[in-house]
Amino acid sequence: AQSVTQLDSHVSVSEGTPVLLRCNYSSSYSPSLFWYVQHPNKGLQLLLKYTSAATLVKGINGFEAEFKKSETSFHLTKPSAHMSDAAEYFCVVSEEGSSNTGKLIFGQGTTLQVKP
Amino acid sequence: DSGVTQTPKHLITATGQRVTLRCSPRSGDLSVYWYQQSLDQGLQFLIQYYNGEERAKGNILERFSAQQFPDLHSELNLSSLELGDSALYFCASSVAWGWDYGYTFGSGTRLTVV
Repeated sequence: AQSVTQLDSHVSVSEGTPVLLRCNYSSSYSPSLFWYVQHPNKGLQLLLKYTSAATLVKGINGFEAEFKKSETSFHLTKPSAHMSDAAEYFCVVSEEGSSNTGKLIFGQGTTLQVKP
Repeated sequence: DSGVTQTPKHLITATGQRVTLRCSPRSGDLSVYWYQQSLDQGLQFLIQYYNGEERAKGNILERFSAQQFPDLHSELNLSSLELGDSALYFCASSVAWGWDYGYTFGSGTRLTVV
């Protein structure tokens, strides 16, 4: 069965410094992987997705993620944090064999704090 | 505004009661998904409908039910509510089934059971 592990429940960075949010996945198949962001009292917004094309995926707001099959990782990065990046981030994998349903498996989330 | 509308935004009710959460999908989307977000369980898939028919079921309790109407809006019914049902309930919609189409989340309904 697929699973997603977000290695840090809370990450704190200073504004202008790099962001790294770590995610490992488990899947028997070549997975589809995603990062979502949730700002306080808001819905979930798709940052980026990997669907077996390029291993380096660029998303919105300067975020990108690299799919590393050998490490079963899909870490999210951003060169320079902005105050508006403070939010909850979810790493997500699509369930095997579920391409006809859309079922997603969410990680537990990482809270990103950005200090001035 | 994502285009997916969920009502109400907040709901406070007592144990044992029944509530209905409503979701209007983005215009043109035929598929609706329900997710539950709680502190201990995280985000869990509950159920999916496509063009009025149930397509997939996840960790949905028997006390919960859902349906999608001809105008494509969906309702999630929660009955015999327990304290542990307190959570944020999200609806998402997509053009069709399958992640390849991508989907859009609403801002959620926060349910508090007291």
